[in-house]
Amino acid sequence: QLQLQQSGPGLVKPSQTLSLTCAISGGRVSSNSATWTWIRQSPSRGLEWLGWTYYRAKWDNDYAVSVKGRITITPDTSRNQFSLHLTSVTPEDTAVYYCARTMSVPVPWGRNYYYYIDVWGTGTTVTVSS
Amino acid sequence: SVLTQSPGTLSLSPGETATLSCRASQSISSSYLAWYQQKPGQAPRLLIYGASTRATGIPDRFSGSGSGTDFTLTINRLEPEDFAVYYCEQYGSSLLTFGGGTRLEIK
Repeated sequence: QLQLQQSGPGLVKPSQTLSLTCAISGGRVSSNSATWTWIRQSPSRGLEWLGWTYYRAKWDNDYAVSVKGRITITPDTSRNQFSLHLTSVTPEDTAVYYCARTMSVPVPWGRNYYYYIDVWGTGTTVTVSS
Repeated sequence: SVLTQSPGTLSLSPGETATLSCRASQSISSSYLAWYQQKPGQAPRLLIYGASTRATGIPDRFSGSGSGTDFTLTINRLEPEDFAVYYCEQYGSSLLTFGGGTRLEIK
């Protein structure tokens, strides 16, 4: 049973960098069928996908346009975890941040893939305030 | 593609049937559409993937259907624990998009 354990500060000052880590147990960060995902949730923005990192013969990332240029998601294979770094934060970045596993699984009868988030971390409330 | 969920709030009684709608602004593959349930203070939980396949451990009173741009989550015989917020989500163009959610409340 895969579990995700989040860690990181709950308070970040404006203009600083928000950094969160998600430790994986019961699975490998280098899995070929998983993408390691960060999502945030706020009353104003709802559930917002921020980006992911994944290994498919090599490491790669995709990021949301809304945070591109400020976001980095990095895997750490030695510690079996992945991290989120969001620079130059403002109060608009205040949210509950979730790490998650998104699975990509072949559809049995076709060439397509299922994509779905099957495991979530418990969430970290991050407030951006001086 | 934008996902629009309706209604915003649905008020029903236990035992009734809930029908939740998720409409995509562009046609999407059914295999890319999922539904989640979220209760206060908790992370979302996967209910349905591939538009109609129940996730492990999800009761059969939950069912999903639809294709193209119109998808539906149906919850039969509502139980007290089913009152929560429900989100649809789609994969497309190397990213995920969530709908705005439907709050299912006890009437």
